[in-house]
Amino acid sequence: NAGVTQTPKFRVLKTGQSMTLLCAQDMNHEYMYWYRQDPGMGLRLIHYSVGEGTTAKGEVPDGYNVSRLKKQNFLLGLESAAPSQTSVYFCASSYYASGGFDTGELFFGEGSRLTVL
Amino acid sequence: GDSVTQMEGPVTLSEEAFLTINCTYTATGYPSLFWYVQYPGEGLQLLLKATKADDKGSNKGFEATYRKETTSFHLEKGSVQVSDSAVYFCALGEGSSNTGKLIFGQGTTLQVKP
Repeated sequence: NAGVTQTPKFRVLKTGQSMTLLCAQDMNHEYMYWYRQDPGMGLRLIHYSVGEGTTAKGEVPDGYNVSRLKKQNFLLGLESAAPSQTSVYFCASSYYASGGFDTGELFFGEGSRLTVL
Repeated sequence: GDSVTQMEGPVTLSEEAFLTINCTYTATGYPSLFWYVQYPGEGLQLLLKATKADDKGSNKGFEATYRKETTSFHLEKGSVQVSDSAVYFCALGEGSSNTGKLIFGQGTTLQVKP
């Protein structure tokens, strides 16, 4: 079972360059998320998707774009990278089923470490 | 908005010591509460969860009880091992949004020495 797979795992960019992080899940989950992890700040939600063709902003969406063209994939794009986007990025998916309260577990990828010089 | 606050780390303990990591939350409605663990170089994985008041989640010797009256979900383990060294995150699921989003605390690093 692959679960949630992120590519690439490491990347170094120069300021102003663009790149895309790919997240793929093989669990047929409807819900997918992109978080960033920074020291002392825990995980903060960037964007999320509640189904194929849908996306929504999270807590820190500025400077990022996302797309969910296929149910199993969730792409995170940086159009013009900035040093403030140096971070570890985690993708997660969930089988969460809406019904009035949350019980769904998030399944995380191993992370993608991005450095912007 | 909803939020989670964890005790500051790092926490350093000797093997077989008792562990408590405090977590308190602010939320509207009735959120589910979670503890996730991140081992070095890995992604987060669910450790335990509780979905309603007075529920106790437990796994691998860890326990946490959902206390609505004190808005807390403290993580405890009676006897830690070196292999428990990791970063622990408390999280809550937004009860009113129907999006499955989790809000995380800042994480607490645990180091267990032999």
